[in-house]
Amino acid sequence: GAVVSQHPSWVICKSGTSVKIECRSLDFQATTMFWYRQFPKQSLMLMATSNEGSKATYEQGVEKDKFLINHASLTLSTLTVTSAHPEDSSFYICSASGQTRVGPQHFGDGTRLSIL
Amino acid sequence: RKEVEQDPGPFNVPEGATVAFNCTYSNSASQSFFWYRQDCRKEPKLLMSVYSSGNEDGRFTAQLNRASQYISLLIRDSKLSDSATYLCVVSSNRDDKIIFGKGTRLHILP
Repeated sequence: GAVVSQHPSWVICKSGTSVKIECRSLDFQATTMFWYRQFPKQSLMLMATSNEGSKATYEQGVEKDKFLINHASLTLSTLTVTSAHPEDSSFYICSASGQTRVGPQHFGDGTRLSIL
Repeated sequence: RKEVEQDPGPFNVPEGATVAFNCTYSNSASQSFFWYRQDCRKEPKLLMSVYSSGNEDGRFTAQLNRASQYISLLIRDSKLSDSATYLCVVSSNRDDKIIFGKGTRLHILP
């Protein structure tokens, strides 16, 4: 089945640091990937839709200059949290579909980000 | 009306019992429906797709009611390992939108 790899799985860093998270589709090409954030005991929140070769589409309330998304190839999308602060601490998860853009989603393992 | 709505629970159910959740959606153009399971501090995993004719996978049965715009998930003979949050997902090919429900928490009690 379709596999999505996300790296790193855990990051702890100081306030003000920028953190890059990678999401790779290992055995299929993903023209679209999705980035989510999930705070403890809360539901998934879609942050942005990452489109290969074009700009990401951000959800309302998500700062595009804060959360930089790059989707340079059909198998890799990256999310960079710039100048991270403690309130950015969260669980970040990417997903992609190996079929249609809106088919069953396959999720990466997630990245737990802790900003001190 | 929210785009996808689920009862957040928690549902506390004794082991061996049958439990059912519903999920309502507002967009009548929705075409694809899924149930995901998410364990605490883990990523969601696809449990099953939901087809118009309904489908069954072992102890799990999913149904779609287009007229009333809801999908359901039935778990029979529940196991302790079924404890998780169950997410309803609705998508539309027309506008490429994927909408996650907020999830229903299920606790299976020994």
